Amino acid sequence: DSGVTQTPKHLITATGQRVTLRCSPRSGDLSVYWYQQSLDQGLQFLIHYYNGEERAKGNILERFSAQQFPDLHSELNLSSLELGDSALYFCASSPLWVGAYSGNTIYFGEGSWLTVV
Amino acid sequence: TQLLEQSPQFLSIQEGENLTVYCNSSSVFSSLQWYRQEPGEGPVLLVTVVTGGEVKKLKRLTFQFGDARKDSSLHITAAQPGDTGLYLCAGGGGSQGNLIFGKGTKLSVKP
Repeated sequence: DSGVTQTPKHLITATGQRVTLRCSPRSGDLSVYWYQQSLDQGLQFLIHYYNGEERAKGNILERFSAQQFPDLHSELNLSSLELGDSALYFCASSPLWVGAYSGNTIYFGEGSWLTVV
Repeated sequence: TQLLEQSPQFLSIQEGENLTVYCNSSSVFSSLQWYRQEPGEGPVLLVTVVTGGEVKKLKRLTFQFGDARKDSSLHITAAQPGDTGLYLCAGGGGSQGNLIFGKGTKLSVKP
């Protein structure tokens, strides 16, 4: 158990719909990262929040948005869903950010499996 | 753009064999992590290496970070079926402060 909690674990929804994925980081961690994993693309970095502020954006579509709340939990909102958005969405957390100090790394939750039909 | 290339992409071996998985980049990383992921689960951290030339051992697994901090290898001795999974390397320390992942090596160890 990494200490990172993600809900829901599985979600099936129709094209055009909107869903929200939730993440609670490990106790004390200020950074939350969202990654998308699909069969052909591997783990793709989406976005990073540190202490409530967006710190970096990766390959995140405009239809997707995220936020980190004062209690440090985070939500990833996916809207106007398409079939190609079906994937495993992972949240990860770390005390600071990767590179802040030598050896700092991130710990992953078990993922939210999204299926768009 | 920092990229990590892993090889081989797939590896199927018999129990008891040795194997090495490679992770290469043209970029320098301040640290490199290896993760193992099982189907439907999140990646689990195996090791972090931070110093060029560093070697770390975890039971039958040996991890090495290249002298120039651009590449790494994972060697498994006497593989067991329980080693089956997706092995991912990830580099950190870029300006954005997140991890960049390779696409992974899918290992299957047959009894």
